[in-house]
Amino acid sequence: QVQLQESGPGLVKPSETLSLTCTVSGGSISSYYWNWIRQSPGMGLEWIGYIYYSGSTDYNPSLKSRVTISVDTSKNQFSLKLSSVTAADTAVYYCARDRTGRNWFDPWGQGTLVTVSS
Amino acid sequence: NFMLTQPHSVSESPGKTVTISCTRSSGSIASNYVQWYQQRPGSSPTTMIYEDNQRPSGVPDRFSGSIDSSSNSASLTISGLKTEDEADYYCQSYDSSNRGVFGGGTKLTVL
Repeated sequence: QVQLQESGPGLVKPSETLSLTCTVSGGSISSYYWNWIRQSPGMGLEWIGYIYYSGSTDYNPSLKSRVTISVDTSKNQFSLKLSSVTAADTAVYYCARDRTGRNWFDPWGQGTLVTVSS
Repeated sequence: NFMLTQPHSVSESPGKTVTISCTRSSGSIASNYVQWYQQRPGSSPTTMIYEDNQRPSGVPDRFSGSIDSSSNSASLTISGLKTEDEADYYCQSYDSSNRGVFGGGTKLTVL
C-alpha cells in the first residue's frame, strides 16, 4: 500500500522560498507521475504541478514562474519549491500520485499547512 | 485553459438521490477523463469516481459517475443518501498537456 507523507516548515516569511518534501513509502517512486496540489483555507483545490520519475515536469501556468519540482529516486522523495511567497500562498499542501498517468490522484498525503507570515 | 464549474452547495434528505454537476467551459468533456473526490473536514480528498464512471474498490455502488456531451458536463450521483455522505465533492480533469484542473467544489448537506 503506497503512502505519501509531506514534510517541511509550517511557517515561511513573505518573499522567501517555501520548500516541502514528499516521502513515498510502500512502493517505488520510479514509475508514475507525482503531483503537488494545494488548498487555501476554506477554499478549493489547486493543482501546482507534477514530476515524472525520470525528471520531466510541468506546472500550473499561474505559478510556473515561481515553482520548481524535483525528484530524488535514491531517497524515494520528490520536492516542491515555491519562491517569492506571499500571504496568498498560505495553504495546505498535498502530494499525490497520479495512478494512471491520466490525472487520477491516488493516494494523497495527509497534507501540511504552510503559513506565510512575518 | 478550461474551467470546471460546480454548484457551490446542494442538500437532500437521507435515503434520497442527489446529483452534482460539473460543467466544462471549453473543449469537450469527453476529451479527458473526469475524476470525483470526496473531502471530509480535516481530511485529504479520496477518490469516489475515476475515469468518468469507474469506482475504486471499497467505494459503495451508491456512487456513480457519468458524462453528458450535450451539456458538456460530468455528474456524480449519490443514491440512498446517508448522513456520512455529507462532505465536499470536487470534480477534476486535465488538459492536453496533462495539467490538472479542479472544479470549485460542492458542499453536500444531508439533512
